[in-house]
Amino acid sequence: EIVMMQSPATLSVSPGERGILSCRASQSVSGNVAWYQQKPGQAPRLLIYDASTRAPGIPARFSGSGSGTEFTLTISSLQSEDFALYFCQQYNNWPETFGGGTKVEIK
Amino acid sequence: EVQLVESGGDLVQPGGSLRLSCAASGFTFSSYVMSWVRQAPGKGLEWVSSISGRGGSTYYADSVKGRFTISRDNSRDTQYLQMNSLRVEDTAIYYCAKGDAYNSGFFVSWGQGTLVTVSS
Repeated sequence: EIVMMQSPATLSVSPGERGILSCRASQSVSGNVAWYQQKPGQAPRLLIYDASTRAPGIPARFSGSGSGTEFTLTISSLQSEDFALYFCQQYNNWPETFGGGTKVEIK
Repeated sequence: EVQLVESGGDLVQPGGSLRLSCAASGFTFSSYVMSWVRQAPGKGLEWVSSISGRGGSTYYADSVKGRFTISRDNSRDTQYLQMNSLRVEDTAIYYCAKGDAYNSGFFVSWGQGTLVTVSS
């Protein structure tokens, strides 16, 4: 089973600043990575799939990059509604596995 | 608009059984792989099980294989998760999730979840 490791566990950022979240796979997953946002008491929401494709309705300030084992989610200018928990997921190999999450909090 | 509404979560004793349901609307249900993903309290996400559009193929995480059974009724636009021999470690919010049009493996839409608590 592929292990997805996210860093940092907590990211403290001021509104308007850029946030960079990392996700590392224990072996190559090609470009088959998705990112999700989860707010307290809510279901996850798909942000990015295929490492860099934004899901419909997702603002352009969210961007994804990477391939192989190293992936990044960048939030270019953090808005108040972006402070949440973020998970990466690989779907290159069965079973699909998720990272442990990065909490983005207000600095 | 896609809607997924889970139900059936409850408090159950270890060794007990529970059946979860997920009612879908807003899309052609039979055309999509459907899945269950769970989240233990304060923890990350864990894929549990998936079922093909027509129900002919099913997949399970090792942690639930032999205890859980996924099924679907396309005439009712509903999927199910029969959970037997429940363990304390099965305690989690169970989300119903819809795949993409190509069955790539990521989850496009999620329900709000239903809480399963396994405790004596």
